[in-house]
Amino acid sequence: GQSLEQPSEVTAVEGAIVQINCTYQTSGFYGLSWYQQHDGGAPTFLSYNGLDGLEETGRFSSFLSRSDSYGYLLLQELQMKDSASYFCAVQAGNTGKLIFGQGTTLQVKP
Amino acid sequence: NAGVTQTPKFQVLKTGQSMTLQCAQDMNHEYMSWYRQDPGMGLRLIHYSVGAGITDQGEVPNGYNVSRSTTEDFPLRLLSAAPSQTSVYFCASSYSPLLSSGNTIYFGEGSWLTVV
Repeated sequence: GQSLEQPSEVTAVEGAIVQINCTYQTSGFYGLSWYQQHDGGAPTFLSYNGLDGLEETGRFSSFLSRSDSYGYLLLQELQMKDSASYFCAVQAGNTGKLIFGQGTTLQVKP
Repeated sequence: NAGVTQTPKFQVLKTGQSMTLQCAQDMNHEYMSWYRQDPGMGLRLIHYSVGAGITDQGEVPNGYNVSRSTTEDFPLRLLSAAPSQTSVYFCASSYSPLLSSGNTIYFGEGSWLTVV
């Protein structure tokens, strides 16, 4: 089967750095992507890793190790507005199917 | 650009009723998909389409039908609503199926469906 695991909750303080891990088991792996979702809102695409290594987009970075079936999202200089749920998703197969993790709720405290 | 537009935003149905959730995108994207999200869970793929006239099943297709007669529109039909279909539904689109740093996926604002 296909499955993803990520922590259910993470708490950090404003200005800090937080890392959200994601491990996966899947066949036909094409890439790992990350999404942010505020309460009641639509998921927003944050980043994508198709190859091993680090991708940086402003305060957000994402890392992938295909040999370890592992990735993480790194959020730097945390702001209150970063409080949200974060989902990792595996793209399995070349048809675009996304398999999502259950999400990590990030609470940023002053 | 409107992006991905879903209607209605909220709907209450009685068990056994049918309805259609509308989804339209104005970005000329070939790939469109429907997901459902239950409380405290991630999104699960219902159906997807790689282009006009082509649709296929995702993880949880039972009880739902789709069609793709144009590039812009991808409606989701509930054939006979059941309480288990109470969920939030998200439509999404991207230029092509495989994501990359240059091909991102866009989600609509969601449709909250309650079946009583």
